[in-house]
Amino acid sequence: AQKVTQAQTEISVVEKEDVTLDCVYETRDTTYYLFWYKQPPSGELVFLIRRNSFDEQNEISGRYSWNFQKSTSSFNFTITASQVVDSAVYFCALSEAIFGNEKLTFGTGTRLTIIP
Amino acid sequence: EAQVTQNPRYLITVTGKKLTVTCSQNMNHEYMSWYRQDPGLGLRQIYYSMNVEVTDKGDVPEGYKVSRKEKRNFPLILESPSPNQTSLYFCASSLGGYSNQPQHFGDGTRLSIL
Repeated sequence: AQKVTQAQTEISVVEKEDVTLDCVYETRDTTYYLFWYKQPPSGELVFLIRRNSFDEQNEISGRYSWNFQKSTSSFNFTITASQVVDSAVYFCALSEAIFGNEKLTFGTGTRLTIIP
Repeated sequence: EAQVTQNPRYLITVTGKKLTVTCSQNMNHEYMSWYRQDPGLGLRQIYYSMNVEVTDKGDVPEGYKVSRKEKRNFPLILESPSPNQTSLYFCASSLGGYSNQPQHFGDGTRLSIL
């Protein structure tokens, strides 16, 4: 069965510090997809990134970067020079290539607070 | 604007009174799904639909029903709500076709069952 673990329940950092959110996953499939979503205080879920299991290249998007390592089953997310607007709950999620159901298995989330 | 629209956003009701949460998407997506979010549990899938008239159970389907009569709409029905269904509910849609593309989420519906 698939599982996603976000061991960090809450993190607080001072503005402009870098912060890394950890995500470890379990799956028996060789083909799978990993996602990060942001849930700001207003409650909606905002898509950040999608990665498939065959693409281990790290990705950078502005202040955001992602490190995908199949050897450790991890898909970590780093925010550089954090800002108050980054305060949110962040979810890592896994989807397997199962016939028809594109179910997202979510971790329990990491609440990130950026202190001004 | 591409979006998934849920209604209502908030609802307080009583045990046993049937309710429906509507979900509509304007992106011509084939795949739609419902999740519930509970503290410490993340989001869990309730039901999903691969296309019109094709629905199936997710991980926590007990006490819920769905239908997919039109491609754009995927309502969630609670026939006899109970307090353990108090939760934050999200509808999501994506292209489907086994592509596992990112799912677009509605803004959420907060249900309180007294």
